Amino acid sequence: EPEVTQTPSHQVTQMGQEVILRCVPISNHLYFYWYRQILGQKVEFLVSFYNNEISEKSEIFDDQFSVERPDGSNFTLKIRSTKLEDSAMYFCASSPTGGNQPQHFGDGTRLSIL
Amino acid sequence: QKEVEQNSGPLSVPEGAIASLNCTYSDRGSQSFFWYRQYSGKSPELIMFIYSNGDKEDGRFTAQLNKASQYVSLLIRDSQPSDSATYLCAVNMDTGSNYKLTFGKGTLLTVNP
Repeated sequence: EPEVTQTPSHQVTQMGQEVILRCVPISNHLYFYWYRQILGQKVEFLVSFYNNEISEKSEIFDDQFSVERPDGSNFTLKIRSTKLEDSAMYFCASSPTGGNQPQHFGDGTRLSIL
Repeated sequence: QKEVEQNSGPLSVPEGAIASLNCTYSDRGSQSFFWYRQYSGKSPELIMFIYSNGDKEDGRFTAQLNKASQYVSLLIRDSQPSDSATYLCAVNMDTGSNYKLTFGKGTLLTVNP
């Protein structure tokens, strides 16, 4: 069964450094998403992306965050200057279309900011 | 603030019993509803989705939706120890843009052998 692939599985970074989290969505899916989950808390929406542009973003997704689809398969989340509070699991998801379609999640990247 | 509420549990049931997980949501215009299973330290795994009022069955799982009461539930029949996980209710709310899921905090289910 096709799946969403995320790399790395764990990223440890010094505060203030830039990080790039990578995702390969399911190949025939058109909508891509990033969510995060701080330890012990609920899954929170960050951003959705379609047709090479952001469709929607949350209040969390401030100027420190950016997303990109640099080629036909990868979808990346960049955090420019990391803060301690950015420590979380980051999940990439994709769906065939937007709207009501189920979103399928990758295994996540655990981001630890020191 | 548009919210999704779940009993955090833990909900403990014996093996073979029916587990009932509940979820309420605040936005009456919500269109689609999802149940994800999340094992500790893992990612959410889609279990069921439902769009219309009533029941939807898939194997041992039944999702139930009542839009008038703004209530969605998940029943797990013949519960197995491998069903022990946190179950997340997620709602696609009528935000004017329907690209995001709003999650509840999840209900921790423990199935005892």
